[in-house]
Amino acid sequence: EVQLLESGGGLVQPGGSLRLSCAASGFTFSSNAMSWVRQAPGKGLEWVSAISRSGYSTYYAESVKGRFTISRDISKNTLYLQMDSLRADDTAVYYCGRSPDFDWLDYWGQGTLVTVSS
Amino acid sequence: QLALTQSPSASASLGASVKLTCTLSSGHSNYAIAWHQQLPEKGPRFLMYLNSDGSHNKGDGIPDRFSGSSSGAERYLTISSLQSEDEADYFCQTWITGIQVFGGGTKLTVL
Repeated sequence: EVQLLESGGGLVQPGGSLRLSCAASGFTFSSNAMSWVRQAPGKGLEWVSAISRSGYSTYYAESVKGRFTISRDISKNTLYLQMDSLRADDTAVYYCGRSPDFDWLDYWGQGTLVTVSS
Repeated sequence: QLALTQSPSASASLGASVKLTCTLSSGHSNYAIAWHQQLPEKGPRFLMYLNSDGSHNKGDGIPDRFSGSSSGAERYLTISSLQSEDEADYFCQTWITGIQVFGGGTKLTVL
């Protein structure tokens, strides 16, 4: 059974940093591209970042480019999102998702809440 | 610019059918999309991948009541024999060169 389990969310002050993790199981982690998608309270889904199977190719939404870094550790079956210079409008539930190859997301995690507030 | 448009809300009666629409932006009518369901206070769930010719592949465990179709730039999700647990937000998604795009979502109310 494919499982994606996010962790690392919490309350952080504006300008602070946070690292999210997504532990993957039930599939060969290196065979799929992975993404982060967020959802602000009461809002729709917003794609944040994606990473290739190997980790060599990465993509970012303009809203996070230069502040967020996506990475993956294949030996640990874990996806990461390093978030720096956080702003209030980064407040959201962050989901990780699996895709066959930078296309549709076929499995999602349950999400982790990030709140940026002083 | 690649974009997806969805109506904010829809409603239908218990046991009836409903057809949700996702419209691709101009110049992108041949793009495939995916449909996702998000139950209240839950994470999204993949429903299906839908091609421009209407062929579709559903996710694990998705009931036969859920089907997809296409016409031009429009992609449809039809839910038949509506049940109370179908009340949810439905999002469409597409992609281009590593970037993923979501529609604004449709909130479905089952009357």
